[in-house]
Formats: sequence, structure tokens, C-alpha cells
Amino acid sequence: DAEITQSPRHKITETGRQVTLACHQTWNHNNMFWYRQDLGHGLRLIHYSYGVQDTNKGEVSDGYSVSRSNTEDLPLTLESAASSQTSVYFCASSESGTTEAFFGQGTRLTVV
Amino acid sequence: AQTVTQSQPEMSVQEAETVTLSCTYDTSENNYYLFWYKQPPSRQMILVIRQEAYKQQNATENRFSVNFQKAAKSFSLKISDSQLGDTAMYFCAFFTYGGSQGNLIFGKGTKLSVKP
Repeated sequence: DAEITQSPRHKITETGRQVTLACHQTWNHNNMFWYRQDLGHGLRLIHYSYGVQDTNKGEVSDGYSVSRSNTEDLPLTLESAASSQTSVYFCASSESGTTEAFFGQGTRLTVV
Repeated sequence: AQTVTQSQPEMSVQEAETVTLSCTYDTSENNYYLFWYKQPPSRQMILVIRQEAYKQQNATENRFSVNFQKAAKSFSLKISDSQLGDTAMYFCAFFTYGGSQGNLIFGKGTKLSVKP
């Protein structure tokens, strides 16, 4: 069955380190999204991509970057981790021309 | 820019009763989709129901139904015969088309507790 997977599921890192969260989907979806979920804020869009080599900034993109070198993967990089980036991160994908988004299981990131 | 507002941070309901969760949105788009997602303690995001803006008929999925008022930009979720397994965070979401592309914006969520 097609799926979307995130790794790692949990990570603890130190302030100032570079961190990369992986997202891999096997639906061959063109659209991929990264969100962060914080209490009282719901899900906020960080970055999104509509296809290979396409990336766009979302509502809370500062301190984050993404790259899309193939259809299946959209890794999220925190260039220099800060305590304010402690959060749960969700990756999602959807097919162009349709609208249902499928979510990964989430990655809990703690920056100490 | 599109925004989604859920004005009820928390709600509770007795098992077997009916509860309605509110959602309003703001957009200048005419073609869009609206969703309700459920997030149980497992953290998995689960699509509950969706509504196409061009359809006047309210969507229904078993015990879940929506009241879509396009002019008022309102999209409420009604859960009938509430079950303990309905306990979860519920997020209202808005999706727009831009050519073949799309974007998905969420509200802050409503925490629903179903009490035995």
C-alpha cells in the first residue's frame, strides 16, 4: 500500500545544530507540505512544494529550508536549531488536481 | 490571504449525544474545498469529511455531517450519537486551487472530549 513516512519519529538536538527531518511518500503525489503543530496554534505551514525543483515558503518559514530533487522526498532542514523550534512536525502530500492530503505520523523534535 | 478560525478551544459532550463544532473562514476565492480532520491521541491526522464549495448540498459521512453556509463563510461539523472514540482534536481546514496547485490551511483546533 502507498504511504507517507517520516523519520525520525523523535529527536533531541542541541541549540545551533543543523537538523534534517525526512519525509518520503510512495503515492507519486506532486504536492508535499511541511507543518509544525504547537499548542494553541494548530498546524502552521512551513514550506510546500508543487513538484520537483519547486519550493515555496509558508506562514512560518524562517529558520527552515526544503529541497525537492525527486517526487518522493521533501526533507526539512533546520539550519541552526533554536529552542523555539521545539515542536511536532508533520509532512503531508496530495495529488495535483485532487485535494485530499495524506499525513505522516509526525516527528517530535526537542531542541535543548 | 486565507484564514480559518475555530472559536471553541475545548468542548465536551455526553456519550450518545450530539455536538457541533464551529468553523469560519475568510477568502476571496470562489472555488475551494473545506475539510474536517480528526487527530486522536495517536497523533495521526484522519480526514473526517470534506465539502466542495460549488456544491450546495451539505456533506454527510455516517454520524458526521456539515452545515456549509457559503455566504456566511461558515463550515460547522455535527457529530451525532457521540462515541468515546470520537475524543480527539478536530481541525477545520481550507484548500484552494491555483491552476493545478493547491494550498491547505488549518484552524487552531477544537479539543473534543466525549464523556461516558
